[in-house]
Amino acid sequence: QSALTQPASVSGSPGQSITISCTGTSSDIGGYDFAAWFQQHPGKAPELIIYEVTKRPSGVSNRFSGSKSGNTASLTISGLQAEDEADYYCCSYAASSTYVFGTGTKVTVL
Amino acid sequence: EVQLVESGGGSVQPGGSLRLSCSVSGFIFSSYWMHWVRQAPGEGLVWVSRLNPDGSTTNYADSVKGRFTISRDNAKNTLYLQMNSLRVEDTAVYYCARGGLEPFDIWGHGTVVTVSS
Repeated sequence: QSALTQPASVSGSPGQSITISCTGTSSDIGGYDFAAWFQQHPGKAPELIIYEVTKRPSGVSNRFSGSKSGNTASLTISGLQAEDEADYYCCSYAASSTYVFGTGTKVTVL
Repeated sequence: EVQLVESGGGSVQPGGSLRLSCSVSGFIFSSYWMHWVRQAPGEGLVWVSRLNPDGSTTNYADSVKGRFTISRDNAKNTLYLQMNSLRVEDTAVYYCARGGLEPFDIWGHGTVVTVSS
């Protein structure tokens, strides 16, 4: 149950687009259409922003989009805004009916 | 309003026990899988355990298997996590979260567990 690999940090200027990768194996990301993404502001609980690779929960901005290729899932934030500055975590269903989260990515808006 | 409220955290010595609770309101608790997720200070999220709606199926992370037990009381709309043989590395904020078609869609605010001598 090793954590999925994410870049430690990603930054961008307001209005730009950034992409966060989440790399796993064929036993997690590559094996299921589950990949989810969470946004977490300091001191707050995580919030679901993407599930089943590409779906957005009601109320989540369409500036957030997800994709997957092989063992890597990706989150793209378009039109970056100051409020997007937060930590982002990916998550996948994994073998033995467990789940695994990513190492987390700190997004900085320059 | 859909709400999850954790309680039961605190400070305990290594080898000790704690029972966390997650009180639920605003949705039909007995229809949903439920999860526990933890986050050590300054670290990332780690999935701990999940339980199916009627309490008959449980899954655990290897790091807590045999030490932690997840359970629920659907009549009381409450999820539990019994934590035994606690280790320093179990120190974290523990969150409960709702499972379902939109997995982990609702989270509590978390309860802090500190294991220290």
